[in-house]
Amino acid sequence: DAGVIQSPRHEVTEMGQEVTLRCKPISGHDYLFWYRQTMMRGLELLIYFNNNVPIDDSGMPEDRFSAKMPNASFSTLKIQPSEPRDSAVYFCASSFATSQAGELFFGEGSRLTVL
Amino acid sequence: QKEVEQNSGPLSVPEGAIASLNCTYSDRGSQSFFWYRQYSGKSPELIMSIYSNGDKEDGRFTAQLNKASQYVSLLIRDSQPSDSATYLCAVNLLRGSNYQLIWGAGTKLIIKP
Repeated sequence: DAGVIQSPRHEVTEMGQEVTLRCKPISGHDYLFWYRQTMMRGLELLIYFNNNVPIDDSGMPEDRFSAKMPNASFSTLKIQPSEPRDSAVYFCASSFATSQAGELFFGEGSRLTVL
Repeated sequence: QKEVEQNSGPLSVPEGAIASLNCTYSDRGSQSFFWYRQYSGKSPELIMSIYSNGDKEDGRFTAQLNKASQYVSLLIRDSQPSDSATYLCAVNLLRGSNYQLIWGAGTKLIIKP
């Protein structure tokens, strides 16, 4: 398997623009997670899905953030409008079973810079 | 008190020595425990998981769990410069009907040749 695939790897945009990050989880994994990592705040869980259904979105910072998982092989994280404080590395991760739901496989991340 | 605490480091260890990384957690309901390694500019990578009290060994890595004292540690034997990275501790616990993975802030490990 190719692992978790994220795109784009790098995104530089201007404040106010819409940003869409994409993720393809590992085939067969039924959990998908979106994380954000910054030096100041570390690794933060934004939202996670189980079998394409959002389970916990309490980490989504505000209404500017939205995430979808239309099918088992694709998810998006959208920021509209983007702000400089959204600059971070965004990771997508997937995992297989509830009991090992801490055994995550991470994508390479999308580094977002909002000017 | 943070739910999962790690010393941020950096922890400097000479090559060939044992590196000892520690993590404490506050919730006694914690179910499972994980160590991730993150190289600079890369994504976290799972290196050890442990579910019951005691030691678990995998090559040069040993995870130790003590639920009574609420700590989990990672020992790296025969440390190599390639072990230099940030090590993240993560604790999985059941809240309501959902599992929640709580992350520590990570310990930066530097192995000096």
